[in-house]
Amino acid sequence: DAEITQSPRHKITETGRQVTLACHQTWNHNNMFWYRQDLGHGLRLIHYSYGVHDTNKGEVSDGYSVSRSNTEDLPLTLESAASSQTSVYFCASSGGLARGAQYFGPGTRLTVL
Amino acid sequence: QKEVEQNSGPLSVPEGAIASLNCTYSDRGSQSFFWYRQYSGKSPELIMFIYSNGDKEDGRFTAQLNKASQYVSLLIRDSQPSDSATYLCAVSSGTYKYIFGTGTRLKVLA
Repeated sequence: DAEITQSPRHKITETGRQVTLACHQTWNHNNMFWYRQDLGHGLRLIHYSYGVHDTNKGEVSDGYSVSRSNTEDLPLTLESAASSQTSVYFCASSGGLARGAQYFGPGTRLTVL
Repeated sequence: QKEVEQNSGPLSVPEGAIASLNCTYSDRGSQSFFWYRQYSGKSPELIMFIYSNGDKEDGRFTAQLNKASQYVSLLIRDSQPSDSATYLCAVSSGTYKYIFGTGTRLKVLA
């Protein structure tokens, strides 16, 4: 069955370190998204991609970057982790069916100390 | 600023009752509307999508859309304790990007 996976599921890091969160989907979807979810803010879009070599900034992109070298993967990098980036991160993907309905990975809980 | 608003709840309903969850949006150009269910500690799970005015039914779930009033709702019939979760409304303006509401927490009382 097609799926979307994220790794690691939990990560503790220190302020200033570079961190990369992995997202891998086997849906063969063109569109991939990264969100963060915090109490009181809901899901906020960090970056998104509509295809290989395409990346775009979302509403909370400062301090994050992504690259898309193939259809299946969209890794999210925190260049220099800050305590404000402690959050739960979700990756999602969508194709052209179901009005672009997005399907979510299981999430990564990141703690920056 | 495009916004999607939901009452944070909790909305408490007795088992077997109809739960009504509401969502309003500010962008009149919005085209597609999605409802997700999120259990505590889990990822959002798609329940339904709707893009035409009126009702769309799927099992115990009915989505209702009124574009003139910029309002979308989700009805859950015969609510069960297993329906207790946070329900997220998401709106798309046709670019595959969503704007999410902050969600309504539903509690179904046994």
